[in-house]
Amino acid sequence: SQTIHQWPATLVQPVGSPLSLECTVEGTSNPNLYWYRQAAGRGLQLLFYSVGIGQISSEVPQNLSASRPQDRQFILSSKKLLLSDSGFYLCARDRGTNTGELFFGEGSRLTVL
Amino acid sequence: EDKVVQSPLSLVVHEGDTVTLNCSYEVTNFRSLLWYKQEKKAPTFLFMLTSSGIEKKSGRLSSILDKKELFSILNITATQTGDSAVYLCAVSSGTYKYIFGTGTRLKVLA
Repeated sequence: SQTIHQWPATLVQPVGSPLSLECTVEGTSNPNLYWYRQAAGRGLQLLFYSVGIGQISSEVPQNLSASRPQDRQFILSSKKLLLSDSGFYLCARDRGTNTGELFFGEGSRLTVL
Repeated sequence: EDKVVQSPLSLVVHEGDTVTLNCSYEVTNFRSLLWYKQEKKAPTFLFMLTSSGIEKKSGRLSSILDKKELFSILNITATQTGDSAVYLCAVSSGTYKYIFGTGTRLKVLA
């Protein structure tokens, strides 16, 4: 099994508050990991990807940051949330070839008020 | 700029109908095209296509890729209410790079 766990599943936060979303992966070593955001009516937008511990690549400059403190752990953070940060955040891994299919976690739905 | 466009944006059909979902793309470095089904949370993988003209099938679902015309279709025959979902198309266009369309929302009425 190569399950992807995300938590929390749902989060409601006030503007200006911090954020931490966690993703952990089972059953595979050194996975390539991704954070995507899905806003209402829009496609999945790649935020970050990581090929290993401490290695983070950012695709879109914004209010968010990511970290990979352990091989199977990927964290999405913000120091001060904006209204525009609301959305559905999906963690994903690839098959190891970085171009094949992506496998997704169950997602974290963030509402910023 | 790389982009993936899906059509229609939404579709309502009755059980037993056949539907065709479209995905066109413009990318600088095509590697593969992926189809996903998203019901409530996690998108689930359906197909990966890399070669033109070779149909992939899984039960009532099938998909084909045309690399000359830069599009793919996803067909669903004998639709059921359980097929109601958002169908996402994505293109892998380089290392760690996946471009997603906005999806087609399909609703199948009993």
